[in-house]
Amino acid sequence: NAGVTQTPKFRILKIGQSMTLQCTQDMNHNYMYWYRQDPGMGLKLIYYSVGAGITDKGEVPNGYNVSRSTTEDFPLRLELAAPSQTSVYFCASSPGGIATNEKLFFGSGTQLSVL
Amino acid sequence: TQLLEQSPQFLSIQEGENLTVYCNSSSVFSSLQWYRQEPGEGPVLLVTVVTGGEVKKLKRLTFQFGDARKDSSLHITAAQPGDTGLYLCATLGNYGQNFVFGPGTRLSVLP
Repeated sequence: NAGVTQTPKFRILKIGQSMTLQCTQDMNHNYMYWYRQDPGMGLKLIYYSVGAGITDKGEVPNGYNVSRSTTEDFPLRLELAAPSQTSVYFCASSPGGIATNEKLFFGSGTQLSVL
Repeated sequence: TQLLEQSPQFLSIQEGENLTVYCNSSSVFSSLQWYRQEPGEGPVLLVTVVTGGEVKKLKRLTFQFGDARKDSSLHITAAQPGDTGLYLCATLGNYGQNFVFGPGTRLSVLP
């Protein structure tokens, strides 16, 4: 049971470099999300998608981009890495049904450091 | 965006003790979820509560939703080292069917 798979697990970037965080799910979920988690701050939504070809900004989208060409994949792109983007990034998915019965399935995260 | 507060921020107890952690907001929750996150992993859903006054039990964990649906508590009986982790509460946000998360309570259960 793979669920939500994120790669890489760890990454160190230099300021100004770019990278793509990969996320794939095998549960045929419509909804996918990218969160970042900073110490003591909970999880903040970066971008989300309600289906292939549809993406939208969340609470903290600046400095990031996403695409959703297939149901399974939802990569997150950092174009010009900055120290403020040092964080743990989580991808999640959900079926997208009745809101009060929704359940998020999370990947195991990518720990990113920008130096 | 609905803001969630959780208390305490940190809790360290001995194995076998009981504990309660809290989640509250100034706004009414449509529903509330509790997640547990272990080190190096993503959060995992424990329970969803929907109705004011609702109580749900999951083995040694008891979840309560306040009558006014502005607060919730998680009580653990006879804590075990396997209960160690970050406990997050979450409620529906403003983006799609996104969930907004509280800052969490970090629990450490010492053997």
